[in-house]
Amino acid sequence: SQKIEQNSEALNIQEGKTATLTCNYTNYSPAYLQWYRQDPGRGPVFLLLIRENEKEKRKERLKVTFDTTLKQSLFHITASQPADSATYLCALVTPGGSYIPTFGRGTSLIVHP
Amino acid sequence: DTEVTQTPKHLVMGMTNKKSLKCEQHMGHRAMYWYKQKAKKPPELMFVYSYEKLSINESVPSRFSPECPNSSLLNLHLHALQPEDSALYLCASSQGMGGTTEAFFGQGTRLTVV
Repeated sequence: SQKIEQNSEALNIQEGKTATLTCNYTNYSPAYLQWYRQDPGRGPVFLLLIRENEKEKRKERLKVTFDTTLKQSLFHITASQPADSATYLCALVTPGGSYIPTFGRGTSLIVHP
Repeated sequence: DTEVTQTPKHLVMGMTNKKSLKCEQHMGHRAMYWYKQKAKKPPELMFVYSYEKLSINESVPSRFSPECPNSSLLNLHLHALQPEDSALYLCASSQGMGGTTEAFFGQGTRLTVV
């Protein structure tokens, strides 16, 4: 069966460190992978999109990698700040699904001052 | 204006009530979506409209009835809901259908069915 796995345990880190979140998937062949941020009781906010033929994408303090061999994406936030505390969702986009994103359950990040 | 506006923010309804959720965007996006999200779970796709036509219905029960009156508005009509339908209902829009461009989400409607 198809699965998108994100660590269900919260990631706790100290301010200033790099946070690394993982998204693993099985039985998918995504053409794109997206990362979103979601604050409690709010809608997700788009952060980055990476294509299957791209290894890495950067935006300010954010970096995403995409390894289609390992079937994994890593999401990094450098110089993390308490304001980065939120749940981060990955979403896979596959051609077979009319290119509609399918979301993972997300990982909660808590940045301690 | 890069906002998707959803009303109401909170809604409590009885199982025999009829209510509607509303969603509006003025970004010229031609694809609009309804998602349902339960606590600690991912958003689950319910419906997709593309160019004001229903493109995808993810086998949603008929007690949920979507409507797209024009390219800026999306409604979700609710009737005879069950307590298990209590969730955060999210509307989203994107330039075209699918995940090749970013989706913009509204803040959601927190629905409680009593």
